[in-house]
Amino acid sequence: AQKITQTQPGMFVQEKEAVTLDCTYDTSDQSYGLFWYKQPSSGEMIFLIYQGSYDEQNATEGRYSLNFQKARKSANLVISASQLGDSAMYFCAMREGTGANSKLTFGKGITLSVRP
Amino acid sequence: DAGITQSPRYKITETGRQVTLMCHQTWSHSYMFWYRQDLGHGLRLIYYSAAADITDKGEVPDGYVVSRSKTENFPLTLESATRSQTSVYFCASSSSGFYNEQFFGPGTRLTVL
Repeated sequence: AQKITQTQPGMFVQEKEAVTLDCTYDTSDQSYGLFWYKQPSSGEMIFLIYQGSYDEQNATEGRYSLNFQKARKSANLVISASQLGDSAMYFCAMREGTGANSKLTFGKGITLSVRP
Repeated sequence: DAGITQSPRYKITETGRQVTLMCHQTWSHSYMFWYRQDLGHGLRLIYYSAAADITDKGEVPDGYVVSRSKTENFPLTLESATRSQTSVYFCASSSSGFYNEQFFGPGTRLTVL
């Protein structure tokens, strides 16, 4: 079974509107971390936001927020007030385990296009 | 400048040749990682290292070799390149600790003819 599932096809959003990118995960660990990364067309991977499994509050970083629903095992990224520069591929990732065995598993990504 | 760098950025090689991709970070991060990115697969972990002289296999290690004699360097070697290893390779690092994000290098685009 996939550990990280991102099933949305290419997403489109109008500039200045909000958009939600879906991510579901599968783990039997109690302690884990969830990450979102952005990959623009230039290719670099940019860290956006982190949510720990024990965090009670949803993480926020500027225009990015993570809608964490632990019981549903979902960690959706919400981008408010979309900008043209938000057009990119977005990857959800999960880190399980601690210490030397801690590894990051990525989903297959979602393409977001922001329309002017 | 501080950061994580990869070299070369682009490489074309032939089937059967040995290729080494270099990764260097200036943060003294304990953890370093190698991923490959292929269309439809996202990023998949090849090898990782928790510290100098400690390495372990990831999801897709076959055909690759790593070493880490110094904390700042983590080279990835394709011992006998195959066409299926054509990909974009990313190196990443993170400080020790469960909650630390990984910082990625710019990537190396490798083509095996």
